[in-house]
Amino acid sequence: GAVVSQHPSRVICKSGTSVKIECRSLDFQATTMFWYRQFPKQSLMLMATSNEGSKATYEQGVEKDKFLINHASLTLSTLTVTSAHPEDSSFYICSAPRTSGSTWEQYFGPGTRLTVT
Amino acid sequence: GIQVEQSPPDLILQEGANSTLRCNFSDSVNNLQWFHQNPWGQLINLFYIPSGTKQNGRLSATTVATERYSLLYISSSQTTDSGVYFCAVGNSSASKIIFGSGTRLSIRP
Repeated sequence: GAVVSQHPSRVICKSGTSVKIECRSLDFQATTMFWYRQFPKQSLMLMATSNEGSKATYEQGVEKDKFLINHASLTLSTLTVTSAHPEDSSFYICSAPRTSGSTWEQYFGPGTRLTVT
Repeated sequence: GIQVEQSPPDLILQEGANSTLRCNFSDSVNNLQWFHQNPWGQLINLFYIPSGTKQNGRLSATTVATERYSLLYISSSQTTDSGVYFCAVGNSSASKIIFGSGTRLSIRP
């Protein structure tokens, strides 16, 4: 199957600092990528759609100034958590759709576990 | 937006048993995927199945799009099948998918 990577896999930062998470599609190009957040024992919640060459689209209730998304190329999207606080501690997962004709299948990165102290 | 419901929320079985997981969705879809989330958080793609039936080893899935549900079957369960199973659907041209709440499966030896 398709491969999506994320870096770092785990990060601990102090409250008030910013953290950048990278998501790469390794063997296919993606004009859109997606960022999800997952709290313990809960499902994945879609945060935003990352669009190559244009602004990200955020889901309702997600602060765009806090979660900065940049889609610099067809294989790279970054999520920056600005001025992180302990409540931002979570598991962040990215995905990219691989298209085949008129269909598309999402592939997910391994996730980044963020802990804010 | 589209709603996705999964049942049961939790399932505990003995090794060797069979199980059926259900996913109901509230609108027509152009994408439906089943995933297994392993203990490290990685989502493993099981099936891409917006309609029809597929089988892969001990796992199979069926989606009845007209009735807005999908079923995941696991036969002869093994302890390594433990984890959370998610159904996710999409119904737009934007290619995003929305997740159900998941089924937590525990297989006891």
